[in-house]
Amino acid sequence: ETGVTQTPRHLVMGMTNKKSLKCEQHLGHNAMYWYKQSAKKPLELMFVYSLEERVENNSVPSRFSPECPNSSHLFLHLHTLQPEDSALYLCASSQEVQFRHGRETQYFGPGTRLLVL
Amino acid sequence: GQNIDQPTEMTATEGAIVQINCTYQTSGFNGLFWYQQHAGEAPTFLSYNVLDGLEEKGRFSSFLSRSKGYSYLLLKELQMKDSASYLCAVRDTSYIPTFGRGTSLIVHP
Repeated sequence: ETGVTQTPRHLVMGMTNKKSLKCEQHLGHNAMYWYKQSAKKPLELMFVYSLEERVENNSVPSRFSPECPNSSHLFLHLHTLQPEDSALYLCASSQEVQFRHGRETQYFGPGTRLLVL
Repeated sequence: GQNIDQPTEMTATEGAIVQINCTYQTSGFNGLFWYQQHAGEAPTFLSYNVLDGLEEKGRFSSFLSRSKGYSYLLLKELQMKDSASYLCAVRDTSYIPTFGRGTSLIVHP
């Protein structure tokens, strides 16, 4: 247990569906992240939030819409996805975005395995 | 931008030593991380290097050479449970780590 939980763990959706992924961290961290992990590819950073404000958006298609209502919760709203969006979506948190003390690390949730049909 | 390179797959024998290399090219450098990820699970932190040299933590050690843009993760006394993917991540001036593709390590009896 890393202190970061994600629901659901598995999701199958059609291209016309709308669904949301949820992430919750119990570590008192101020920064939260969404990553996409596809087979044989590096972890791709999608979004970064610091104190509920989006500080990074890595050219992600608008069919992915993040929401951070408070520093403990992060959502990823999905609509009209494509089959190539099938991947493992990982949430992570850290104390801050800018790591003042260097050794600060990210703590990852178990991920949501998404399949788009 | 960043370029991080690590081998795709390695195999080793239980009880042996294995070294997983990571080379990188970044604009600025603010630390290098190694993570372990078992299949279907979250990546978990293994080590952090920001200065040149070797950091040892039990059976795992990590080395960094900033002038060469090079790091390695050394795993000693391999166990079957060490079969996992090992992710190298480099932090540049943005302070947000960029990950390599990961090295899948298979430990066999």
